[in-house]
Amino acid sequence: SQTIHQWPATLVQPVGSPLSLECTVEGTSNPNLYWYRQAAGRGLQLLFYSVGIGQISSEVPQNLSASRPQDRQFILSSKKLLLSDSGFYLCAWSYEPGLRYEQYFGPGTRLTVT
Amino acid sequence: AQSVTQLDSHVSVSEGTPVLLRCNYSSSYSPSLFWYVQHPNKGLQLLLKYTSAATLVKGINGFEAEFKKSETSFHLTKPSAHMSDAAEYFCVVTPYGQNFVFGPGTRLSVLP
Repeated sequence: SQTIHQWPATLVQPVGSPLSLECTVEGTSNPNLYWYRQAAGRGLQLLFYSVGIGQISSEVPQNLSASRPQDRQFILSSKKLLLSDSGFYLCAWSYEPGLRYEQYFGPGTRLTVT
Repeated sequence: AQSVTQLDSHVSVSEGTPVLLRCNYSSSYSPSLFWYVQHPNKGLQLLLKYTSAATLVKGINGFEAEFKKSETSFHLTKPSAHMSDAAEYFCVVTPYGQNFVFGPGTRLSVLP
């Protein structure tokens, strides 16, 4: 069966500090991978998605970046955090389009920028 | 273009009574539709999915949804609410599995 991991679960960082959140998927190959942000009391905002190693599409211009160094690893980064970067970050994966379409979500990372 | 409307931001029901969470969609293509549930500080869990097979879809925890193309709706129902059903629910549409459009969510409260 497939499993998706995210870490850390919670993170408190000062403004201007760097960020690295990691997501890994087990039990499947060549998944599509996604990073979402959920601000308090609000819906999901797609930040990045990837259809393969080194292939990243950005949906929202911001000070965040994403990388996919391995097939089942997706990393969200920032060089300098802003207060507005606080939120709940969710990683998700899906099969290649044409097979099955649903997304599967990780447990999330709660980021608080102080 | 695709869009999703969840008509109620908050629904409150009593334990043991039926649940109805409404979702309407707009899609240029034949859509796939999903309902997800999110408990506080947790990831989203897939409740059920419609992918052009049977229009009445059964999911986990007693939930089901009916795809009505003429009404562009995909409402989520459950005959009898349980306290553990209190959570945020998201309706999602995708035309072909790459662009996922999420509704704003409906918060379900279950009163004892």
